[in-house]
Amino acid sequence: AQKITQTQPGMFVQEKEAVTLDCTYDTSDQSYGLFWYKQPSSGEMIFLIYQGSYDEQNATEGRYSLNFQKARKSANLVISASQLGDSAMYFCAMMASDSNYQLIWGAGTKLIIKP
Amino acid sequence: EADIYQTPRYLVIGTGKKITLECSQTMGHDKMYWYQQDPGMELHLIHYSYGVNSTEKGDLSSESTVSRIRTEHFPLTLESARPSHTSQYLCASSEPRLAGDTQYFGPGTRLTVL
Repeated sequence: AQKITQTQPGMFVQEKEAVTLDCTYDTSDQSYGLFWYKQPSSGEMIFLIYQGSYDEQNATEGRYSLNFQKARKSANLVISASQLGDSAMYFCAMMASDSNYQLIWGAGTKLIIKP
Repeated sequence: EADIYQTPRYLVIGTGKKITLECSQTMGHDKMYWYQQDPGMELHLIHYSYGVNSTEKGDLSSESTVSRIRTEHFPLTLESARPSHTSQYLCASSEPRLAGDTQYFGPGTRLTVL
């Protein structure tokens, strides 16, 4: 069965440091997509980054990069030079044919950036 | 990126009232979704649509109903609101990719049923 696991319920990071948010996934599909979303306290869900299973390069979007290790089934989000505005919940999600192409969500990690 | 709108942003209503949460998108996306999310918790899919006149129930059982008469509009209706319906409701539409559609979300509706 498809599953997303985020093992860090909460994290505190000093401003300007890099932070890695963990995500492991489970699917028997060869073709799948991995996503990271940010949810500030205001409640909206903001798409950050996407990695396709066939993409050879790790995805990057500005300060966000996805450390994709296919053999380990991990898709960690790396935020470089963290800012106070990065404080939010972060959700990892996966889409595959064995989930009927619906997003499977992790439980989220609450990130707090300390000044 | 999708432009997707939800109204109202906040709603406080009494038990037994009928409510409709509005969701509209301007990008012409065929696929649209409704999620329910309790504070700090993961999202649960309650309804989705692959196009006009197509609606399906998601993994989480819900007493709500949806309709999709126009591509851009995907309203969710609760015929008789109850306190157990208190939650945040997020609407999304998706843009296809080679392996997995990217979903873009509206700002959400925070519903409180007294």
